[in-house]
Amino acid sequence: AIQLTQSPSSLSASVGDRVTITCRASQGISSALAWYQQKPGKAPKLLIYDASSLESGVPSRFSGSGSGTDFTLTISSLQPEDFATYYCQQFNSYPQTFGGGTKVEIK
Amino acid sequence: EVQLVESGGGLVKPGGSLRLSCAASGFTFSSYSMNWVRQAPGKGLEWVSSISSSSSYIYYADSVKGRFTISRDNAKNSLYLQMNSLRAEDTAVYYCARVLWFGEKGFDYWGQGTLVTVSS
Repeated sequence: AIQLTQSPSSLSASVGDRVTITCRASQGISSALAWYQQKPGKAPKLLIYDASSLESGVPSRFSGSGSGTDFTLTISSLQPEDFATYYCQQFNSYPQTFGGGTKVEIK
Repeated sequence: EVQLVESGGGLVKPGGSLRLSCAASGFTFSSYSMNWVRQAPGKGLEWVSSISSSSSYIYYADSVKGRFTISRDNAKNSLYLQMNSLRAEDTAVYYCARVLWFGEKGFDYWGQGTLVTVSS
């Protein structure tokens, strides 16, 4: 199975900060990667698919990049509602594994 | 409005069985692949199983293969997960999730989840 390693596992940031989260795959997955946001007690929300395509309705401050084994989720200017946990997921092959998550906390 | 509503969770003893259901509405259920994803308390997300729109393609995580069975009834707009030989490590919130209409690229709608607790 393809392993996805997210870093950092947690970070503290302030409103207005630029935040970058990394997801590394154990083998090449082309652009078959999605990013999700999850708030406590809620279901995940799709942010990005195909590594860099913004899901409808998601604010443009979210962006994704990368291909192969290295991927990045960037929040250009962190807003209060963005404090949450973020997960990557690969769709290159089954099982469709998730990364371990990155918790974004208020500084 | 797209809605996915899970049910069937609860407390079950190790070795027991449980059947989860996911009722879908607001979209043409028979056109979409569907998935189950779980999340153990305080832990990350784990993909469990996937079923294509016509049930032709079915996949499982190694951790549940041989114990869980995914199925669907397109006439009833429903997705199911039959869970047998349950273990303590199966304790989790179980979500059903819809695949993007244009392919296996992301899960765009999720249910609210149903909690399964495996304990004696």
